Amino acid sequence: DVKVTQSSRYLVKRTGEKVFLECVQDMDHENMFWYRQDPGLGLRLIYFSYDVKMKEKGDIPEGYSVSREKKERFSLILESASTNQTSMYLCASSLIRNSPLHFGNGTRLTVT
Amino acid sequence: AQSVTQPDIHITVSEGASLELRCNYSYGATPYLFWYVQSPGQGLQLLLKYFSGDTLVQGIKGFEAEFKRSQSSFNLRKPSVHWSDAAEYFCAVRRDSGYALNFGKGTSLLVTP
Repeated sequence: DVKVTQSSRYLVKRTGEKVFLECVQDMDHENMFWYRQDPGLGLRLIYFSYDVKMKEKGDIPEGYSVSREKKERFSLILESASTNQTSMYLCASSLIRNSPLHFGNGTRLTVT
Repeated sequence: AQSVTQPDIHITVSEGASLELRCNYSYGATPYLFWYVQSPGQGLQLLLKYFSGDTLVQGIKGFEAEFKRSQSSFNLRKPSVHWSDAAEYFCAVRRDSGYALNFGKGTSLLVTP
């Protein structure tokens, strides 16, 4: 079974801090994704990566960056956290193009 | 752009009753469609997917979905709901790039005794 692990379930940060959200998958998947989930808005794509060191912007990349130095690890970086980035962040991976996404359990980030 | 709409934000069903969750898609070609379920505090779990072929798709946990091109729909069904089915359900469509998915806003299912 595919396992996607997000390093923190809950995180509380202060406005202006640099925040790192880490995600690791154990099935040698090519693609990895970061979504944020907000009530009434569903899931929105922030960034995805289709290969090591390759990344593409999603629908809401502003205020975020990503890093994928190794195939199994995909990090989401909030350069300067703001209160409107308080949200649930979901990491996912997929084996190849057109294959289903497998999700981690999410990181609930609160920015105060 | 590819999108899906879930018209029902909340649905309440009695345990043992049948269930149908609606999903309408917007896409010119044959879409790749998915249903996911999210239990409280958890990530999303894939229930089933449709790529092509038989329009009635079987999934896990006794769920099925039917692709209807004429109605641009991909509704999720279950003949008899269990209390453990209470969760949030998301319909999704593959984006043009073939990598990521676009999700609907979800339908929250409440199961009453």
